[in-house]
Amino acid sequence: EVQLVESGGGLVKPGGSLRLSCAASGFTFNNAWMNWIRQAPGKGLAWVGRIKSRTDGETTAYTAPVKGRFTISRDDSKNTLYLQMTSLQTEDTGVYYCTTGPFDLWGQGTVVTVSS
Amino acid sequence: DVVMTQSPLSLPVTLGQPASISCRSSQSLVYTDGNTYLHWFQQRPGQSPRRLIYKVSNRDSGVPDRFSGSGSGTDFTLKISRVEAEDVGVYYCMQGTHWYTFGQGTKLEIK
Repeated sequence: EVQLVESGGGLVKPGGSLRLSCAASGFTFNNAWMNWIRQAPGKGLAWVGRIKSRTDGETTAYTAPVKGRFTISRDDSKNTLYLQMTSLQTEDTGVYYCTTGPFDLWGQGTVVTVSS
Repeated sequence: DVVMTQSPLSLPVTLGQPASISCRSSQSLVYTDGNTYLHWFQQRPGQSPRRLIYKVSNRDSGVPDRFSGSGSGTDFTLKISRVEAEDVGVYYCMQGTHWYTFGQGTKLEIK
């Protein structure tokens, strides 16, 4: 089955860190560019960042509010995408989705809550 | 940053009637390769978003043909020819020409 499954969300204090994972199956993960999208409670969608495939240089790019705090990586041997989040702020609270490059496949999301 | 502006933000529709959502970008979405990376997504209550339309007017697999996309440059439209109960949710346009930005979302409800 073609799917993406996120995990790793939870409650963390401001200034803390969290690592999200996204397990891919049913398609050739190592060829895929991948994105992270987030959605604050009751709000719209916002692009967080993306990583290219290894053959395209595994280059990353991020939205301005998370640059220097978030890092996207991938392990093609495990068909898994990661989002390492540090120096978390209350504004980072929301549901985090991983998606394929063209946004044609989405996971179910994982909830991140940053609160003291 | 490219700003995507949707209207209306709330769309009450009678079952069986048509619906239309407008999406305008702050600059042209035509990329250097000639493609226009404007996509539409549906997010049903409690679900993940789902892509409906890619590159302005291409329907994704499994998307009913009552959904159609059109437009060019900075002005785009998603149309539903006859709204059904399963169409309730929030619709987002997204541009992928100048990095990625989403519209604010249009909440479609049944009148």
